[in-house]
Amino acid sequence: DADVTQTPRNRITKTGKRIMLECSQTKGHDRMYWYRQDPGLGLRLIYYSFDVKDINKGEISDGYSVSRQAQAKFSLSLESAIPNQTALYFCATSDPIRDPTYGYTFGSGTRLTVV
Amino acid sequence: SQELEQSPQSLIVQEGKNLTINCTSSKTLYGLYWYKQKYGEGLIFLMMLQKGGEEKSHEKITAKLDEKKQQSSLHITASQPSHAGIYLCGADKPGNTPLVFGKGTRLSVIA
Repeated sequence: DADVTQTPRNRITKTGKRIMLECSQTKGHDRMYWYRQDPGLGLRLIYYSFDVKDINKGEISDGYSVSRQAQAKFSLSLESAIPNQTALYFCATSDPIRDPTYGYTFGSGTRLTVV
Repeated sequence: SQELEQSPQSLIVQEGKNLTINCTSSKTLYGLYWYKQKYGEGLIFLMMLQKGGEEKSHEKITAKLDEKKQQSSLHITASQPSHAGIYLCGADKPGNTPLVFGKGTRLSVIA
């Protein structure tokens, strides 16, 4: 099993629909992140969480919400999807104490298309 | 806020040729990470640099952090098709905040 698992891998949804992207990890890391990747724009941070009770907005949090259900699970929701949320979404984890030189471990991504 | 600029944005090289990708920061780098992404897939960690002048190698890929700690270069020797993908640099910021990433360099290796 992958260290960081994202589901679904691909999703097509209609404008206005609510959708949830899920992320689970077996690394035992406290810190989890959601990024989106768009061509030419690189990775942009949506939300991050440093432990189960901690949720922080990133640079592009509007239109998104998150839930940290457990140390191992961090889900991203689009309450009412719109076409410009079409992107590749990545979940990542880190632990600066246990893995200080490893940076982030990324999931394989969820390709979301909003039509 | 700290920004990372990668150059070039894209690169096409012939198999066997050497190439260099640069990552320049608007502020001092405290930790610089290089990742590789195969098209449409997740990011794979390559190397992390912290000290000015530090150089690390992994197979045919070498990364260096300059003495002033505001630029890192990634050098690939004798490129192969397996090197194709998107290379991203990411940087630690002061304080307890997430990494900031560059926009990536898309590398194609042609036979």
